Amino acid sequence: RKEVEQDPGPFNVPEGATVAFNCTYSNSASQSFFWYRQDCRKEPKLLMSVYSSGNEDGRFTAQLNRASQYISLLIRDSKLSDSATYLCVVNPVKAAGNKLTFGGGTRVLVKP
Amino acid sequence: EAQVTQNPRYLITVTGKKLTVTCSQNMNHEYMSWYRQDPGLGLRQIYYSMNVEVTDKGDVPEGYKVSRKEKRNFPLILESPSPNQTSLYFCASSIGLAGADTQYFGPGTRLTVL
Repeated sequence: RKEVEQDPGPFNVPEGATVAFNCTYSNSASQSFFWYRQDCRKEPKLLMSVYSSGNEDGRFTAQLNRASQYISLLIRDSKLSDSATYLCVVNPVKAAGNKLTFGGGTRVLVKP
Repeated sequence: EAQVTQNPRYLITVTGKKLTVTCSQNMNHEYMSWYRQDPGLGLRQIYYSMNVEVTDKGDVPEGYKVSRKEKRNFPLILESPSPNQTSLYFCASSIGLAGADTQYFGPGTRLTVL
């Protein structure tokens, strides 16, 4: 089983709709969770950190479910510019805790 | 402008010809790392460095070397490249430990080894 797993998609989303997707992680001791956004073969950029209580940033909401070991990302009122690959990133807290593990990414395509 | 730069951005080379990909950051970050990204496999860490002269292996270090002689620079060296090292490479830096801080990525280097 991969340490961090994501549905690769693509999720085809009509403009203005809501889309949500999850990411599961295998190490129950993981401490830090993030969502990064990556546009086609460009560098990943931090979208948001994921906190235990859940957090919201504009149209984006991230949730953490420690019991079931997954994090989620919800995008409301999708824009064409939201089309991208969303990478789930987990710190599995090995040894010195200096390593991040990336999921394979979920591709989202927002269409007019 | 705060940034991570990589050079070259694109490189086509042949098997066995030593190459170096440079990475430089101007944010005075302690932590730097190298990743490769392959279809279906996601980003995998090659090497990381927590400070000058401190480097350690990531998940896929075989066939690569790194050095950290200055805080701002973290070059990736392929002593004898092979076709299975054809990939998209990203350098990244963060102010502290990778697990707690935002990673800032360079623009990527697309390497093809023939």
